[in-house]
Amino acid sequence: AQSVTQLGSHVSVSEGALVLLRCNYSSSVPPYLFWYVQYPNQGLQLLLKYTSAATLVKGINGFEAEFKKSETSFHLTKPSAHMSDAAEYFCAVSEGAAGNKLTFGGGTRVLVKP
Amino acid sequence: GAVVSQHPSRVICKSGTSVKIECRSLDFQATTMFWYRQFPKQSLMLMATSNEGSKATYEQGVEKDKFLINHASLTLSTLTVTSAHPEDSSFYICSARQGGVYGYTFGSGTRLTVV
Repeated sequence: AQSVTQLGSHVSVSEGALVLLRCNYSSSVPPYLFWYVQYPNQGLQLLLKYTSAATLVKGINGFEAEFKKSETSFHLTKPSAHMSDAAEYFCAVSEGAAGNKLTFGGGTRVLVKP
Repeated sequence: GAVVSQHPSRVICKSGTSVKIECRSLDFQATTMFWYRQFPKQSLMLMATSNEGSKATYEQGVEKDKFLINHASLTLSTLTVTSAHPEDSSFYICSARQGGVYGYTFGSGTRLTVV
């Protein structure tokens, strides 16, 4: 069975500072990994995904994530936080077979201080 | 890009009535759609997987007679909350799986309030 753990339910960063959101997964097969962002009362928007190609994945809005198999991690980073990055972020894993469901982590709420 | 339209965005209904939520893939065909429920400040919990032309697969603990899912076409899936009660109040989100490199596109969600 697959599972996802996001360390830290809340992260506070200053505008212009590094954003680091942690995600660890467990999967019985090579995983497909995703990061989504959710703004209040909205659905989820895909930031980036890892699908067994390059281990360093670049996404939208300046975010990137690195897949580390040895650490079973897929941490999300952004070099310089912007006020518009304040939102909820979800890491998710799929075990990849056609139509397989996504399993989500508990989410991390990011607060950006001016 | 892929777009999923979910309607309505907000609905308030009386206890005991039924509510239907629609999820449409606008520019692609979705053989598989997913329905999630999200409580305040919590993550998304998968309720069921909907496959076009067949019965939905419900997650453990989800009442299939209460949450009726129909996936009648490759672009439309509906979730009907039957005999709604206040504890059914929640944020419901659908997702459609697009073929290729595992693209999952989400609708904008429906805020259901049962009074």
